[in-house]
Amino acid sequence: KAGVTQTPRYLIKTRGQQVTLSCSPISGHRSVSWYQQTPGQGLQFLFEYFSETQRNKGNFPGRFSGRQFSNSRSEMNVSTLELGDSALYLCASDPGQGNEQFFGPGTRLTVL
Amino acid sequence: DQQVKQNSPSLSVQEGRISILNCDYTNSMFDYFLWYKKYPAEGPTFLISISSIKDKNEDGRFTVFLNKSAKHLSLHIVPSQPGDSAVYFCAAKGDTGTASKLTFGTGTRLQVTL
Repeated sequence: KAGVTQTPRYLIKTRGQQVTLSCSPISGHRSVSWYQQTPGQGLQFLFEYFSETQRNKGNFPGRFSGRQFSNSRSEMNVSTLELGDSALYLCASDPGQGNEQFFGPGTRLTVL
Repeated sequence: DQQVKQNSPSLSVQEGRISILNCDYTNSMFDYFLWYKKYPAEGPTFLISISSIKDKNEDGRFTVFLNKSAKHLSLHIVPSQPGDSAVYFCAAKGDTGTASKLTFGTGTRLQVTL
């Protein structure tokens, strides 16, 4: 079974721009969660989507948004990028019962 | 407010010896705990988990212990191998029903030396 895939793997943007990251979950998994990893902060939960609905949300500003499609693929968008948004963005999927999550390799975003 | 804490940023252990990684939590609503291992340039990989109704779960060289009264869990790796060198994250869930939100610690970098 193929794992979680994320595209692109690396991205460089400038302040003020917006960015869209994509995640394809493991086949059959209906839940997709997004996390931000920065040095010293561990993984911070952004939001979770299940059956195209946002089911849970972390403490991030409204510049961070997401959506999920009918095939469970998910996208995450960050508008008006700031230098502090530079991070590794990780996507994780699970069947929906919410125990073990399976992570993709991440998208490394650098904001200049 | 860091609800899951890993107070040791790094740990060095000799090959063949036991590695003990610790994790503390503050939210008494957490009822499921997980350990993930992360190599550079890769996403975290699930290692082992434990439900709050248990105090121990074992899987090969990996054992997780949970002390609910102390709000403390630990991961034991015996024997440690060089391939175990990675960053280990403790994670917890349970205060959001069936939603999948995991709350992570900041990680402990384990180095297994020859």
